[in-house]
Amino acid sequence: DTAVSQTPKYLVTQMGNDKSIKCEQNLGHDTMYWYKQDSKKFLKIMFSYNNKELIINETVPNRFSPKSPDKAHLNLHINSLELGDSAVYFCASSQGRGDEQYFGPGTRLTVT
Amino acid sequence: KNEVEQSPQNLTAQEGEFITINCSYSVGISALHWLQQHPGGGIVSLFMLSSGKKKHGRLIATINIQEKHSSLHITASHPRDSAVYICAVAPFSGTYKYIFGTGTRLKVLA
Repeated sequence: DTAVSQTPKYLVTQMGNDKSIKCEQNLGHDTMYWYKQDSKKFLKIMFSYNNKELIINETVPNRFSPKSPDKAHLNLHINSLELGDSAVYFCASSQGRGDEQYFGPGTRLTVT
Repeated sequence: KNEVEQSPQNLTAQEGEFITINCSYSVGISALHWLQQHPGGGIVSLFMLSSGKKKHGRLIATINIQEKHSSLHITASHPRDSAVYICAVAPFSGTYKYIFGTGTRLKVLA
């Protein structure tokens, strides 16, 4: 009965490829997020959607594009992957602004 | 300088010791969260605080809004407490965005 799930858990790919990471939450939350965690374990917000509307779009390369087909899903598509994109990507959800966030298990992306 | 600072960055303790991790922030907030990330990578929310103190098992979290400071205490520490502890604040500005501290890496030795 996973609350926030992500697929895949591990993703190894070559530079220049395009890949997607999927996220689903079954908590009935209105807001979903994508975070990037670098090698120093620092978490940084990338995007957030509230009821399928983009509300946070941090300074990330436009090779990264989020898509929210419905409020339970938030996918992350990455074009033309670069070595620096290697990181762990976490999806999270919350009921609303400032509320407790529930994190997915993370997707470890390795670009070779 | 980060808007959210944690100390210490690394902490090694013996089993049974009382542990304190500190978080200071420089923005007005509506809530502060303590998160735990185990070596396996998963992130779990421990506490959400907007005032006072909360306790859950051996974990206690306190916050002083006037001083913009929070502490996470672990009593009778155990090797399974070894993890990275992350402080995150939800700013007053109404944003949905958390601002994260850099984390405290705790290792508890048996």
